[in-house]
Amino acid sequence: GIQVEQSPPDLILQEGANSTLRCNFSDSVNNLQWFHQNPWGQLINLFYIPSGTKQNGRLSATTVATERYSLLYISSSQTTDSGVYFCAVGINNNDMRFGAGTRLTVKP
Amino acid sequence: DAGVTQSPTHLIKTRGQHVTLRCSPISGHKSVSWYQQVLGQGPQFIFQYYEKEERGRGNFPDRFSARQFPNYSSELNVNALLLGDSALYLCASSLGPSSGNTIYFGEGSWLTVV
Repeated sequence: GIQVEQSPPDLILQEGANSTLRCNFSDSVNNLQWFHQNPWGQLINLFYIPSGTKQNGRLSATTVATERYSLLYISSSQTTDSGVYFCAVGINNNDMRFGAGTRLTVKP
Repeated sequence: DAGVTQSPTHLIKTRGQHVTLRCSPISGHKSVSWYQQVLGQGPQFIFQYYEKEERGRGNFPDRFSARQFPNYSSELNVNALLLGDSALYLCASSLGPSSGNTIYFGEGSWLTVV
């Protein structure tokens, strides 16, 4: 099956700092989504981005499908950005494979 | 509009018991998927249903089963519970199973098996 690796596993930032999270995947996919899981377990969809670049406020994401990686950028981080960020990939919406996540802690 | 709703939010069961978890998708969504998330790991795919038919099954034992009802809500059933079944069970809905459809997750059901 498709393997998904996320890095770094843990990231600690001071409020206001920028960060880049990476997701590598082992096979061609037509579906890639980034999620943020808050401390209560809720998974929030950030981006659907199988290729190209998207931006939403302080967040942006880029996927280079031919090289099988995706990057999530967080600028001017806030304490509310803390949580675990997951990359999920797959063929269609069936059997989405999640990485182990990047745990982000933003300190005031 | 309401998001994906799951019930119960928390439950404790004894080894060997049976559990039923319920999910109501976002209005208009016909695809429901179930995921298991063990502490410290990413979610793992269990089942996907679309238009009341099973469209995909992950690598889980036959103790796990699910179904989708005519109103597109879904149930996940787990028989003969083991300690290792303790996890957060997540339901996700989307318009359909194709790749262009964003997946939306519910808040999950926290299952503890003692």
